[in-house]
Amino acid sequence: QSVLTQPPSVSGAPGQRVTISCTGSSSNIGAGYDVHWYQQLPGTAPKLLIYTSNNRPSGVPDRFSGSRSGTSASLAITGLQAEDEADYYCQSHDSSLSGPHVIFGGGTKLTVL
Amino acid sequence: QVRLQESGPGVVKPSGTLSLTCAVSGGPISRGNWWSWVRQAPGKGLEWIGKISHVGSTTYNPSLKSRVTISVDTSKNQFSLNLSSVTAADTAIYYCARGVGYSPPAFDSWGQGTLVTVSS
Repeated sequence: QSVLTQPPSVSGAPGQRVTISCTGSSSNIGAGYDVHWYQQLPGTAPKLLIYTSNNRPSGVPDRFSGSRSGTSASLAITGLQAEDEADYYCQSHDSSLSGPHVIFGGGTKLTVL
Repeated sequence: QVRLQESGPGVVKPSGTLSLTCAVSGGPISRGNWWSWVRQAPGKGLEWIGKISHVGSTTYNPSLKSRVTISVDTSKNQFSLNLSSVTAADTAIYYCARGVGYSPPAFDSWGQGTLVTVSS
């Protein structure tokens, strides 16, 4: 069970907009730690999609955007395309007695109908 | 452009030690980034194992800390993972990744991953 909670699955038709939530707590997202998002296409390594909540690495289409508020973050995908069908993961830090450590959300499978 | 490549045994016996190496090319490992290991059990999500800086400072996942050692060899431009006392639950694809900036680091480069199966 992940410390960051994501919906197991979301779906949308081509051209539509979908959002994926990432719900944390005061010990991670709510503590102000950065949030990053990854896209994992079937059979491949994850790829950095969004960093520090709402920034895109070079080459990532502006159809992908991120936001955060309080103890949660969200990934939005507009103009959905078949090639967007993948698993999406959020990432942040979580505080512990031994210091902050990296955590991932459980992942969300996006299906393009 | 930095590239990462994992290598190591594909099968490890139960109670044994899993040992993997990540070779870094396209740039020096001493450039001040964080270098991490992440794993993914079959059909499951991503699990961070730990990270190391180029000067050897480490942070581990608290749930694995007692069994994990990550080391770096700047002369060979590579870093390594040792996971002891493995069980079937450690069967996974193991990825190495480069973490840049921020808190936590953003993993902007990944190896292709290597499947390690724990089996007798």
